[in-house]
Amino acid sequence: DGGITQSPKYLFRKEGQNVTLSCEQNLNHDAMYWYRQDPGQGLRLIYYSQIVNDFQKGDIAEGYSVSREKKESFPLTVTSAQKNPTAFYLCASSIVAGSNEQFFGPGTRLTVL
Amino acid sequence: KQEVTQIPAALSVPEGENLVLNCSFTDSAIYNLQWFRQDPGKGLTSLLLIQSSQREQTSGRLNASLDKSSGRSTLYIAASQPGDSATYLCAVRWDSGAGSYQLTFGKGTKLSVIP
Repeated sequence: DGGITQSPKYLFRKEGQNVTLSCEQNLNHDAMYWYRQDPGQGLRLIYYSQIVNDFQKGDIAEGYSVSREKKESFPLTVTSAQKNPTAFYLCASSIVAGSNEQFFGPGTRLTVL
Repeated sequence: KQEVTQIPAALSVPEGENLVLNCSFTDSAIYNLQWFRQDPGKGLTSLLLIQSSQREQTSGRLNASLDKSSGRSTLYIAASQPGDSATYLCAVRWDSGAGSYQLTFGKGTKLSVIP
């Protein structure tokens, strides 16, 4: 099956801890994205990567970090510097960055205790 | 800066009705517009993608139109079914500068189809 997987589905973190969310795709897509979704708000772009070993900040990158060492993987680290990390995190990919359709993973719900 | 608005925020209709969901955007210089469906606690499922040069796209009971000059898109759902109940999101892709392409989302319309 081709698609995007995210793990874990649910994640709980204590304040002050860093945590890494996994995103893997086997679609052979060049571009990958991380979004955050909060109740009553649209999705907001955290980081995106157009190609391996390259990534750019989105609208709300503060308190987050990413890496893109492999084409199929784009992990997101939520650091202790992120003031309000409780949210639903969605990963997406597209063939290339630009005019192509984006496909989304099932999401990870992060709760800070 | 691009802003996307979806009206209404929630809609409830009886089964079998045809319905229209609205999406408007502030900057008409877009590359494409994408409609998604999201079920509670799930990821987004892409429904239709309309390129800026197109006027509409159809998939089954769904038809999406795009009027770029007026900054509007509509999603038409024919003969609605309870299984159509979900939140529908629209998103526009635009050039945010230096060749970087951003997808900006509306807040969605929550649709309930009553049996």
